[in-house]
Amino acid sequence: EAGVAQSPRYKIIEKRQSVAFWCNPISGHATLYWYQQILGQGPKLLIQFQNNGVVDDSQLPKDRFSAERLKGVDSTLKIQPAKLEDSAVYLCASSSYEQYFGPGTRLTVT
Amino acid sequence: AQTVTQSQPEMSVQEAETVTLSCTYDTSESDYYLFWYKQPPSRQMILVIRQEAYKQQNATENRFSVNFQKAAKSFSLKISDSQLGDAAMYFCAYRYQGAQKLVFGQGTRLTINP
Repeated sequence: EAGVAQSPRYKIIEKRQSVAFWCNPISGHATLYWYQQILGQGPKLLIQFQNNGVVDDSQLPKDRFSAERLKGVDSTLKIQPAKLEDSAVYLCASSSYEQYFGPGTRLTVT
Repeated sequence: AQTVTQSQPEMSVQEAETVTLSCTYDTSESDYYLFWYKQPPSRQMILVIRQEAYKQQNATENRFSVNFQKAAKSFSLKISDSQLGDAAMYFCAYRYQGAQKLVFGQGTRLTINP
């Protein structure tokens, strides 16, 4: 069974630029999550999708972050414009019961 | 709001010895799940062990076992016969019955000394 795929693995951008991350969940998993993990901290949920609908986006900074899950499969997370404090690892996970995580994207904002 | 606290930022242990990582949590829910995840330098979060709050018996997975104290809201992870491959960040996480999102602690970095 293929795991959760994410790309890119690394991204370096300057502040005020935009960036997008892509996630492909495990086949058949209806629920998809994006977590932000700042260095030295545990992951924090940004947004949760059930199929292509948003279940929880209470901690998503909506003035600069956006996410979509078209057709209830792949998802993209976008940051525009990026700030220095957005430097973190962005983890995607999917679940049918237990959550399975992708390898994450390490974002560095300079 | 539910919170998870790991009070040990770093731990180290000699190879083949036993180590215990601590975790406490705060919740008003009665039905929930607790987890320990391992995150090696590759950043992939790997589920180590899961405990259902309604179960009194502590979960065990090979060399990994937990000490679940529901009244004290404590959930520690014991790693027996530590191996070099156990070196990683370990995160305690909580999920209540009615939701799917995980709430994570701050993590404990475990070093295994050969």
